[in-house]
Amino acid sequence: ETGVTQTPRHLVMGMTNKKSLKCEQHLGHNAMYWYKQSAKKPLELMFVYNFKEQTENNSVPSRFSPECPNSSHLFLHLHTLQPEDSALYLCASSLRGLADYGYTFGSGTRLTVV
Amino acid sequence: AQKITQTQPGMFVQEKEAVTLDCTYDTSDQSYGLFWYKQPSSGEMIFLIYQGSYDEQNATEGRYSLNFQKARKSANLVISASQLGDSAMYFCAMREGKGATGGTSYGKLTFGQGTILTVHP
Repeated sequence: ETGVTQTPRHLVMGMTNKKSLKCEQHLGHNAMYWYKQSAKKPLELMFVYNFKEQTENNSVPSRFSPECPNSSHLFLHLHTLQPEDSALYLCASSLRGLADYGYTFGSGTRLTVV
Repeated sequence: AQKITQTQPGMFVQEKEAVTLDCTYDTSDQSYGLFWYKQPSSGEMIFLIYQGSYDEQNATEGRYSLNFQKARKSANLVISASQLGDSAMYFCAMREGKGATGGTSYGKLTFGQGTILTVHP
């Protein structure tokens, strides 16, 4: 059982749909991240939130819209996606300043855009 | 330029044997951290081991050890006594800048391409 929970585990959506990915952690961490994992590519950092504030947007297209209402929850809102956006989306959390002890990842949402 | 390089797309090892997964990195920071993660087919990224750039001794965690050669900028993962459950994708990652000592690092990790390890019975 991971300390970071992501829902849904699998998602299939059309290019005109709007959907949201959810990430939740109750580890007392105050930094949360979205990573994208495409086939045969390294993990790509998308967004970083610290104490609910976005501190990094790694040139992510605007069709991905993150939201962090509190330190325990992170959302990724999706709209008008493209087939190349199909990937595994991983959420992670860490305790700022103690990142040396690893980041806790969720199990990911496998997204397929049709 | 690639910051983390894993040159082995796939590795095979016999059960109970040891295996080394290679990782080289590139940074101009004096303070950085190196991580290894395991990703089974379920998708979850499992933290295995960490090495800080100022740590003089190689990190060890059970059957995992990190062969840290700073001058060569390599951080190879050694798995001793391989088990069938070790079959998975393995990622090397780096955090640049300060970590536990403070600073502006927010825990951004840069990952390598990964190595698929297959353990044969």
